[in-house]
Amino acid sequence: GAGVSQSPRYKVAKRGQDVALRCDPISGHVSLFWYQQALGQGPEFLTYFQNEAQLDKSGLPSDRFFAERPEGSVSTLKIQRTQQEDSAVYLCASSLVIAGAGELFFGEGSRLTVL
Amino acid sequence: GENVEQHPSTLSVQEGDSAVIKCTYSDSASNYFPWYKQELGKGPQLIIDIRSNVGEKKDQRIAVTLNKTAKHFSLHITETQPEDSAVYFCAASINAGKSTFGDGTTLTVKP
Repeated sequence: GAGVSQSPRYKVAKRGQDVALRCDPISGHVSLFWYQQALGQGPEFLTYFQNEAQLDKSGLPSDRFFAERPEGSVSTLKIQRTQQEDSAVYLCASSLVIAGAGELFFGEGSRLTVL
Repeated sequence: GENVEQHPSTLSVQEGDSAVIKCTYSDSASNYFPWYKQELGKGPQLIIDIRSNVGEKKDQRIAVTLNKTAKHFSLHITETQPEDSAVYFCAASINAGKSTFGDGTTLTVKP
């Protein structure tokens, strides 16, 4: 596809369930970011990959959050034992170059609702 | 860490008027300042950006100004149109790495 693709677009989970959110970046994009956007707020940084290397995970809110990008393309954000405060839109963004020069292209996000 | 404040949180203008959104940042090391437009149910889309070696940048009806000394930057939209209605976010980062976003401005352009 032409843009960043995220799936699922909507996910409803019961508290305590595990969820996995997928991001397909634009082909060839080196950098990949995950952001969390709560209702009515700006996106907040979670983690950054350069190819398959996770160079920054300082924004992950707890050890229940885990992200991977094993082959340097598709990335998965996993949340274990979901809590109500995890309800948010999770945005993935990719860039052609390493962080430092390129425009970020965002996907449409995965909206997670934890009941 | 970086802190970005954005105001106003809501802005309503008549079609054809100008709109100005202002942001301040705290980390003097920040050197890349993008502005994003987010429509309902969509991801943010870059509309203009500025780097710290430039004071002003313009792209058709959109302009951004940066005052490094005061740590202020602003988005100016002239001749607003109803399709400009959306949520606008400013952000700051070092070398276009991880960005710190403002809380957004909901712009409504009334026809």
